[in-house]
Amino acid sequence: AQSVTQLGSHVSVSEGALVLLRCNYSSSVPPYLFWYVQYPNQGLQLLLKYTSAATLVKGINGFEAEFKKSETSFHLTKPSAHMRDAAEYFCAVSDPTDSWGKLQFGAGTQVVVTP
Amino acid sequence: DAGVIQSPRHEVTEMGQEVTLRCKPISGHNSLFWYRQTMMRGLELLIYFNNNVPIDDSGMPEDRFSAKMPNASFSTLKIQPSEPRDSAVYFCASSLGLYGNEQYFGPGTRLTVT
Repeated sequence: AQSVTQLGSHVSVSEGALVLLRCNYSSSVPPYLFWYVQYPNQGLQLLLKYTSAATLVKGINGFEAEFKKSETSFHLTKPSAHMRDAAEYFCAVSDPTDSWGKLQFGAGTQVVVTP
Repeated sequence: DAGVIQSPRHEVTEMGQEVTLRCKPISGHNSLFWYRQTMMRGLELLIYFNNNVPIDDSGMPEDRFSAKMPNASFSTLKIQPSEPRDSAVYFCASSLGLYGNEQYFGPGTRLTVT
């Protein structure tokens, strides 16, 4: 079965420091992978998406993620954290057993940015 | 373009009452997903539709929960009777309904059952 594991339910970073959020997936076929962000009291918003066109994917708000097949990972990074990056981040993978767009979401990582 | 629209944004009701949550997907999208989010259980997929037909309702917690999609532009999630443990944020999302496509989420309905 498809699954997504996010390491660390909470991450605290200083403003200006590197943000690194970890995501590992299991898939029997080449996956489609996503990162979503959820700001307080809002719905989930797509940050970026991997579709096999390029292993390094750039998203909105300065985030990027690198697909590493050998490590079955899709970690999210941002070189310099800003206070507005405080949110919950979800990694997701397309379910290969489903033809209608079902996604499997990770448990989420809460990011706190300190001044 | 309008995104996914959900109503109401907030709902407070007493235990035992019927609650109906509404969702309008993005025009042209043919898959619709209902999620529930709580601190304890995180984000859970309740049910999803493709071309207005329910595909998988295995995430619906109990018979008290039901969902319908009478047409391509409207879906409802009903809880009858409601219980305090149903308190959560309920999200609707829509997509083009193909493997590999992203989902677009609505702002959610925050339900409080007292």
